[in-house]
Amino acid sequence: AQRVTQPEKLLSVFKGAPVELKCNYSYSGSPELFWYVQYSRQRLQLLLRHISRESIKGFTADLNKGETSFHLKKPFAQEEDSAMYYCALRQGGSEKLVFGKGTKLTVNP
Amino acid sequence: EAGVAQSPRYKIIEKRQSVAFWCNPISGHATLYWYQQILGQGPKLLIQFQNNGVVDDSQLPKDRFSAERLKGVDSTLKIQPAKLEDSAVYLCASRITGGPGTEAFFGQGTRLTVV
Repeated sequence: AQRVTQPEKLLSVFKGAPVELKCNYSYSGSPELFWYVQYSRQRLQLLLRHISRESIKGFTADLNKGETSFHLKKPFAQEEDSAMYYCALRQGGSEKLVFGKGTKLTVNP
Repeated sequence: EAGVAQSPRYKIIEKRQSVAFWCNPISGHATLYWYQQILGQGPKLLIQFQNNGVVDDSQLPKDRFSAERLKGVDSTLKIQPAKLEDSAVYLCASRITGGPGTEAFFGQGTRLTVV
């Protein structure tokens, strides 16, 4: 069965520092990987997806199939990046979408 | 476009009572998900619909939870009878089917407290 692991429950950095939120997955097929974000009092929303190879709000994530990882990175964290971040996996060919337990990022001034 | 709508936003019930949640997905979205999010944890998939058919309900506690999606549009999730451990936020999400990378859109959730 597919599984998504986010090893850090909490992550705290200072403004301007680099940040990396870790995500590892286990799935035997071809996965689609996503990062979702939930800002305070807002609904869960998509941040980025591996297939687009995009940079959103300065965040990037690269799918590493060898290490089965999809870590989220930003070179210079901003206070407005403080939020809950969830890594998610969708099975190829299926619509099933599975989430990790999330990492709470706090960016201190 | 209008987002995923859920109601009620909050609900407090006593254990052993029943409760129902409603979700209206984005128009045209064939895939609908119900998630349970317990405080401090990630969303846990309960059930997934494709139009009005169930695709996956492997983690739905079927002795007390039920869900339906009549006509392939709106969906309801019911708990009967509720237990204390059912206290959580229940999230509904929808997604247009087809094509890799398409995103799931979430509602604001229903916060259930069982006392």
